[in-house]
Amino acid sequence: DIVMTQSPLSLPVTPGEPASISCRSSQSLLHSSGYNYLEWYLQKPGQSPQLLIYLGSNRASGVPDRFSGSGSGTDFTLKISRVEAEDVGVYYCMQALESLTFGPGTRLEIK
Amino acid sequence: EVQLVQSRAQVKKPGESLKISCKGSGYTFANYYIGWVRQVPGKGLEGMGIIYPGDSDTTYSPAFQGQVTISVDKSLSTAYLQWTSLKASDTAIYYCASPQGSGYASGWRFWGQGTLVSVSS
Repeated sequence: DIVMTQSPLSLPVTPGEPASISCRSSQSLLHSSGYNYLEWYLQKPGQSPQLLIYLGSNRASGVPDRFSGSGSGTDFTLKISRVEAEDVGVYYCMQALESLTFGPGTRLEIK
Repeated sequence: EVQLVQSRAQVKKPGESLKISCKGSGYTFANYYIGWVRQVPGKGLEGMGIIYPGDSDTTYSPAFQGQVTISVDKSLSTAYLQWTSLKASDTAIYYCASPQGSGYASGWRFWGQGTLVSVSS
């Protein structure tokens, strides 16, 4: 089984400041297609999860360009260039190489 | 507009059976994977398994293999998640989701509203 880890698990951020979340997988997520099967989701309070990033670095439609994904293999990062109040929630990375496995989540809160 | 509409909340007793549903609309249901995700109240997301409606090919996450059954009825554009004998530990919100592309790694963009299953004696 592929195990996903994230850090930090809690992330207090001042509005306007950048934020970064790290995600690591127990085995490489690089598919033979050349794409990394790694996705990022945000679950806002009381809502269903929403897709932010797919294939490691592709922003989903409608996602603000302050969100960016990077990394390859087993190490990935989600960056928010300038945090806004609406970005509050829990961020999950998820691998789609073998079934679907989520990381434990990173709770972003506004300072 | 793509929509996934899930069945209403359920309250059950341990040992009872249950089948919850997820109806897709606004797209060709048979051509896109459906996945099920569990969220125990206050906890994180757990992928349970995925099914391809076109041929009902199903992959379960190891933790859920043998614990639940995922199925589809293409004629109704509906996916199902089923238990034969519920336990208190099955208490959770269950989400269905579908990717934005034909592959299961193209980003799970569309999500149902979630179905709360409460199991208590």
